[in-house]
Amino acid sequence: SQTIHQWPATLVQPVGSPLSLECTVEGTSNPNLYWYRQAAGRGLQLLFYSVGIGQISSEVPQNLSASRPQDRQFILSSKKLLLSDSGFYLCAWRELAVFSISTDTQYFGPGTRLTVL
Amino acid sequence: GENVEQHPSTLSVQEGDSAVIKCTYSDSASNYFPWYKQELGKGPQLIIDIRSNVGEKKDQRIAVTLNKTAKHFSLHITETQPEDSAVYFCAASKRATNAGKSTFGDGTTLTVKP
Repeated sequence: SQTIHQWPATLVQPVGSPLSLECTVEGTSNPNLYWYRQAAGRGLQLLFYSVGIGQISSEVPQNLSASRPQDRQFILSSKKLLLSDSGFYLCAWRELAVFSISTDTQYFGPGTRLTVL
Repeated sequence: GENVEQHPSTLSVQEGDSAVIKCTYSDSASNYFPWYKQELGKGPQLIIDIRSNVGEKKDQRIAVTLNKTAKHFSLHITETQPEDSAVYFCAASKRATNAGKSTFGDGTTLTVKP
C-alpha cells in the first residue's frame, strides 16, 4: 500500500532563516505531488505541484520554492523565512494512471507545523 | 478557474442528530467530488467521494449527493457521534488532466455535543 511521509512534524524558525521541508511517497511510481499551506482555521491553498522529476508549477507568487529531485521526493524550501510563512504545510500525492491520465483522489501526508518567530 | 463554496463554516449538532454540509462549484466540467475529514493537527483524510455519473453514494453513516444541473453536492452524516467532530472539506476536480489539481472549499468545523 502507499504511504506518504513528511518531516519534520513541527518546526520553529526565526525570521530570515532558511527552510527545507521534505515529503516522500512509498508504494507508487510517477505520482503527481502537491504542496499546500493551511493557515490557522482556514482552507487549503495550493502552493506547488509536480507531474514529474524536475517539473514544478507554482500556483502563487511567494517566498517559497519547490523541487522534485527524485520521483517520490518533494521538497519545499525558502532562503529567508517571513512571519507570514507560518502555517500548516501539507504534502499530497495523486496516482498517475496509464496514458498520462491521472486518477482522481489526492492523499495527504500528516503535515508540518511551521512557526516563524 | 474553478470556484468551490462551502457552507456552513461551523456546525454544531447533538449526538445522534444528522449533519449536512453543502458545496457549490462553478465549472460544469468538474466531474470528481471528494470529501475529506481533518482532525486537529493532522492531514485531511478522504472519507467519501462521488463522480459525476452518480447521483448518490453511501458508506454506512455517511452519504454524498450530487446535483450536476445545479452544480452542488452535499455531505450527509447520520447518527452523529463525538468522534465525528472535525473539519470537513469538499473539493472539485476534472479527470483526464495531467496536473490533477483540485479546488477545495474553505472547510466546515463540525462539533458533535455528547
